[in-house]
Amino acid sequence: DTGVSQNPRHKITKRGQNVTFRCDPISEHNRLYWYRQTLGQGPEFLTYFQNEAQLEKSRLLSDRFSAERPKGSFSTLEIQRTEQGDSAMYLCASSSKGYQETQYFGPGTRLLVL
Amino acid sequence: AQKVTQAQTEISVVEKEDVTLDCVYETRDTTYYLFWYKQPPSGELVFLIRRNSFDEQNEISGRYSWNFQKSTSSFNFTITASQVVDSAVYFCALSRNAGGTSYGKLTFGQGTILTVHP
Repeated sequence: DTGVSQNPRHKITKRGQNVTFRCDPISEHNRLYWYRQTLGQGPEFLTYFQNEAQLEKSRLLSDRFSAERPKGSFSTLEIQRTEQGDSAMYLCASSSKGYQETQYFGPGTRLLVL
Repeated sequence: AQKVTQAQTEISVVEKEDVTLDCVYETRDTTYYLFWYKQPPSGELVFLIRRNSFDEQNEISGRYSWNFQKSTSSFNFTITASQVVDSAVYFCALSRNAGGTSYGKLTFGQGTILTVHP
């Protein structure tokens, strides 16, 4: 049983560039979450999907951020016009909707904006 | 609003010592879930345990044990006979429980860095 995978694992970009991250959830999981983690802090919720529907977005998710989950499988998180403050670890998690739901996390994508 | 507080920023112990990581939470929900995750240096969050708010029975799994006390809103985690491989950042987290299913997002504490020295 493969776990959650994320690509790329590391991304260095210049301020103002666009970046896109991909998350492949555990195959039978219908819920997918994105979190952001900065140094020394716990992860903070960004958004989540149930199947292809985006059900909740955090106020942290500015207009420069967009997430999609076409066909309810993999998801992408795009950041447009990156800023230095976007530098963080972006974590993806997946789960099955239901009683005793547990989120399983991928290895994360570490973004550095120069 | 939900909040999780892990007051211990860093803990350092010598191998074989017991160590307890504290977690205090705030929520207005009457039912909720509590979690502990481990984040080793590789960065991936590893699920350790989930506890329902209506189940206050403590749990032991090998060297790990968890003490859930609803009266004090605490969900503490103890590692017995710590090992160097236990060195990691440990996060306590909280989610809502709406109608018997978790309400999605996790609210995390700031984490406790545990270092176990040989």
